Amino acid sequence: AQTVTQSQPEMSVQEAETVTLSCTYDTSESDYYLFWYKQPPSRQMILVIRQEAYKQQNATENRFSVNFQKAAKSFSLKISDSQLGDAAMYFCAYRRNNDMRFGAGTRLTVKP
Amino acid sequence: DAGVIQSPRHEVTEMGQEVTLRCKPISGHNSLFWYRQTMMRGLELLIYFNNNVPIDDSGMPEDRFSAKMPNASFSTLKIQPSEPRDSAVYFCASSLGHTGELFFGEGSRLTVL
Repeated sequence: AQTVTQSQPEMSVQEAETVTLSCTYDTSESDYYLFWYKQPPSRQMILVIRQEAYKQQNATENRFSVNFQKAAKSFSLKISDSQLGDAAMYFCAYRRNNDMRFGAGTRLTVKP
Repeated sequence: DAGVIQSPRHEVTEMGQEVTLRCKPISGHNSLFWYRQTMMRGLELLIYFNNNVPIDDSGMPEDRFSAKMPNASFSTLKIQPSEPRDSAVYFCASSLGHTGELFFGEGSRLTVL
């Protein structure tokens, strides 16, 4: 089974600064999809960004961008100009067809 | 557009009681997932359906858990009998096809006393 590893249980960033959350995954497949989800205290799971494995270009959504290293099976999330509203649990996820697995999550704290 | 709708939002029950959680996926989505979230185990995939058919239920903890999807717009997750260790947040999510992101409901928080 595919596994997704987030090695940072907790991270902290100063407001307006940049932070990078790490994610690695294990797969023997070449065609798959990767996602970052945000879960604020309201517990709603919100999609932050997605990356298709066949695309070499890193995905970007406003202040959020990824560093996708396919050979290294690495998929990190960079949050620029951090805001207080970015404080949440962040989950990395891997999808191949109808199998979707999540990492254990990284709790991000944003300090004012 | 309505998102994934789950009910109830909160459920408190006593050990041994039957619990039924409900989910209405986004219209047109053909894949439905049930996840369980706990502090200790994180997000666990319990079962997923494709076109109303259960594809993989290997994540279902034991025979006390069962899930059904009688039609494209409704699914249930049943626990009978419930136990305190079943206390968790249960999420339903749906997606279109094999490649799209999952859209999650707001979750059902279950507490078994």
